[in-house]
Amino acid sequence: QKEVEQDPGPLSVPEGAIVSLNCTYSNSAFQYFMWYRQYSRKGPELLMYTYSSGNKEDGRFTAQVDKSSKYISLFIRDSQPSDSATYLCAMRSDSWGKLQFGAGTQVVVTP
Amino acid sequence: DAGVTQSPTHLIKTRGQQVTLRCSPKSGHDTVSWYQQALGQGPQFIFQYYEEEERQRGNFPDRFSGHQFPNYSSELNVNALLLGDSALYLCASSPGWTGIPTEAFFGQGTRLTVV
Repeated sequence: QKEVEQDPGPLSVPEGAIVSLNCTYSNSAFQYFMWYRQYSRKGPELLMYTYSSGNKEDGRFTAQVDKSSKYISLFIRDSQPSDSATYLCAMRSDSWGKLQFGAGTQVVVTP
Repeated sequence: DAGVTQSPTHLIKTRGQQVTLRCSPKSGHDTVSWYQQALGQGPQFIFQYYEEEERQRGNFPDRFSGHQFPNYSSELNVNALLLGDSALYLCASSPGWTGIPTEAFFGQGTRLTVV
């Protein structure tokens, strides 16, 4: 069993819809939870991070962490074609530790 | 600020050969991590360098080795290349004194194809 599970998609939504992404994990030591966006042939770009549990909102993006269920989510409101990319969840247990990534979910927003 | 730069962008190698990939961290960053991203997969941690020493290592064979120079730049070396080593190799840099994720940045990666 992988430490971080993420549905690879693809997830296709019409422009303006809400995109809902999620990951589950098994390592209870994870404290930092991140979401990265990766465009084709590019490096990952950090979108949001949460330390421990809770919700965080930044513009059209909302990240949620439920440590009791070992489940994290990312919501993208009012999706745009420019949001079409692969979204990677990542986690780590301490300030220095390696990032453990999910497989990434490919999102396609159609005009 | 150029951010994290990696070279070369692409390269093709033959099975059994050796390859060296390079990474220049963002200005002010002293910690460099390397990741391997196979097609359709998430990045997998290879190792991390800080103060010219390997601080952490992922589950990769000894064919994968690295080095960090006094100017904090880093190299990833892979010996005896296998077809399965074909992947995007990513370098990430961060300031060693903080673990805040917003302080870590990835480069564009080097696309390695082994034929």
